[in-house]
Amino acid sequence: EVQLVESGGGVVQPGGSLRLSCAASGFTFDDFAMHWVRQAPGKGLEWVSVISGDGGITDYADSLRGRFTISRDNRKNSLYLQMNSLRIEDTALYYCVKDLQQLVQYYFDLWGQGALVTVSS
Amino acid sequence: QSALTQPASVSGSPGQSITISCTGTSSDIGSYNIVSWYQQHPDKAPRLMIYEGSKRPSGVSNRFSGSKSGNTASLTISGLQAEDEADYYCCSYAGSRSFVVFGGGTKVTVL
Repeated sequence: EVQLVESGGGVVQPGGSLRLSCAASGFTFDDFAMHWVRQAPGKGLEWVSVISGDGGITDYADSLRGRFTISRDNRKNSLYLQMNSLRIEDTALYYCVKDLQQLVQYYFDLWGQGALVTVSS
Repeated sequence: QSALTQPASVSGSPGQSITISCTGTSSDIGSYNIVSWYQQHPDKAPRLMIYEGSKRPSGVSNRFSGSKSGNTASLTISGLQAEDEADYYCCSYAGSRSFVVFGGGTKVTVL
């Protein structure tokens, strides 16, 4: 079955860190760029970050650059998001998302169920 | 405030057609044909409905169609059905500084 399964969400204090993981299955993982997209409670979608299939290229939303780090382990078919210096406004459901095509095209065709990150004191 | 502007809500009766607009700028929709649309039912993950402005992924009904003119993209749902009631988000590439921008979402209600 083609799927993405996130883990690692939870409650963290402001200034803390958290690492999200995403396990991919059912497709050739290293053939596709991968993204993280987040959604604050009751709000819209916000793109977070992208990593190319070989992991050599990464990019971030301007407001998150420097605090978040995306990475992948193609041997383990896994995607990661290291989040540091977390702020209350980072509270959101974080989706692991596959790009539609091999080249980074920013078309999000497969989504996980999301990992909830709550930043609260 | 979202980078792309969508109406907060659109409604229609079963069988009717509705169109959702998505207005951007010359820095995003107006410069790139990297426009996509997503459907999201309550407590579910989004689903890709349209990409490259007007293409449908496999499995998406041909009742959904997309178009673009200038700085505005549009999603049309024809033959509206109860299952189409959901939130819809537009999305565009916005260059190497902003990368990706989403609209604020449109709630579609089937009357």
